[in-house]
Amino acid sequence: AQKVTQAQTEISVVEKEDVTLDCVYETRDTTYYLFWYKQPPSGELVFLIRRNSFDEQNEISGRYSWNFQKSTSSFNFTITASQVVDSAVYFCALRGSGGSYIPTFGRGTSLIVHP
Amino acid sequence: GAGVSQSPSNKVTEKGKDVELRCDPISGHTALYWYRQSLGQGLEFLIYFQGNSAPDKSGLPSDRFSAERTGGSVSTLTIQRTQQEDSAVYLCASSLTGYNQPQHFGDGTRLSIL
Repeated sequence: AQKVTQAQTEISVVEKEDVTLDCVYETRDTTYYLFWYKQPPSGELVFLIRRNSFDEQNEISGRYSWNFQKSTSSFNFTITASQVVDSAVYFCALRGSGGSYIPTFGRGTSLIVHP
Repeated sequence: GAGVSQSPSNKVTEKGKDVELRCDPISGHTALYWYRQSLGQGLEFLIYFQGNSAPDKSGLPSDRFSAERTGGSVSTLTIQRTQQEDSAVYLCASSLTGYNQPQHFGDGTRLSIL
């Protein structure tokens, strides 16, 4: 069985602070894919990034960076110098290659960035 | 380019009525998913379609819920004899085939049962 845990239900920061959203996963598949999605107050989930299990290289995209560590089964997401527009619910998801195409989502972390 | 389109955006209906929610996936996407999201909650998987294969209905909460996908494209989610606990946002997503393919979501249909 697969599992994704986003232990932080809600995080509140002040603009320009750095913030890290945690994602811990469980799977028995040796090949799997991890995803992050953003759901702003408007409601539509937007795909942010994908990482496969055989590529542990960290990735940076502007103010966003992702730290994938197989040793701790974590795929954490850091926003540097947060902005009000970053306020959203962020979901981490896992899809293993051993069976179903249905991904497993975490419960989401609500990020509130105050001006 | 067109994304995933859902209609209606909002639906208000009386308890006991039937409702139909529509999803137009991205052209060429063979996989289609329906989810339900209650206020402030995560995503609850409902049903998954892949090409011409039999759908995975394992997430449907009761036999009042059904869905079909015609011609491998448009999908309709039907809720019969609606109950107040059916009130939620219903999200549709589509993707290309493959474990590595991300999902593309529509804006959702906000369903309110009076």
